[in-house]
Amino acid sequence: DTEVTQTPKHLVMGMTNKKSLKCEQHMGHRAMYWYKQKAKKPPELMFVYSYEKLSINESVPSRFSPECPNSSLLNLHLHALQPEDSALYLCASSQLWGASTGELFFGEGSRLTVL
Amino acid sequence: GESVGLHLPTLSVQEGDNSIINCAYSNSASDYFIWYKQESGKGPQFIIDIRSNMDKRQGQRVTVLLNKTVKHLSLQIAATQPGDSAVYFCAEKSGAGNQFYFGTGTSLTVIP
Repeated sequence: DTEVTQTPKHLVMGMTNKKSLKCEQHMGHRAMYWYKQKAKKPPELMFVYSYEKLSINESVPSRFSPECPNSSLLNLHLHALQPEDSALYLCASSQLWGASTGELFFGEGSRLTVL
Repeated sequence: GESVGLHLPTLSVQEGDNSIINCAYSNSASDYFIWYKQESGKGPQFIIDIRSNMDKRQGQRVTVLLNKTVKHLSLQIAATQPGDSAVYFCAEKSGAGNQFYFGTGTSLTVIP
């Protein structure tokens, strides 16, 4: 069983809706990540938070808005999405030791469908 | 059986044979590499990792080889079992931050 929990597992939304994806980990990891994965493709990095601060934004459109309220939680706020944004959204976390990091632990993902 | 990543994204092997999955990574400055297994409908699962100061690391039934000269990573699975059927991704840690980037992936099918 994964120690990274993502909710909801499935989400269907219209292009005018506002919704959020949530991710939680209790392993004491200080780096958290959002990836987007389309069918039969590798995960694509979207955002990285290190010590609760946004450290990497891979030129993601502003209709995706990440938030890290504390060291255990990571949210992804969704607004005015397009059908091509339909994908599996994966959250991951990793331990940090200064500038060094351990392996990524992934959640099971949130399957998003935009109508 | 053996895959060559981008050119052979699928690999079929007989149960009990050894499998070799290959990955070409992009950044010569990458210092940490991980192999993940992803089953249908699930998140990626850690298999084995290796840092750039090593060229080989062994786990239970799995071995990772790193060739920095040609920027190549391979995963060897011994005595492949039906439960090993999945998509396998290599990931490299690249850049000044904690970014991990994934390779194309190889779909492994084990024939009983």
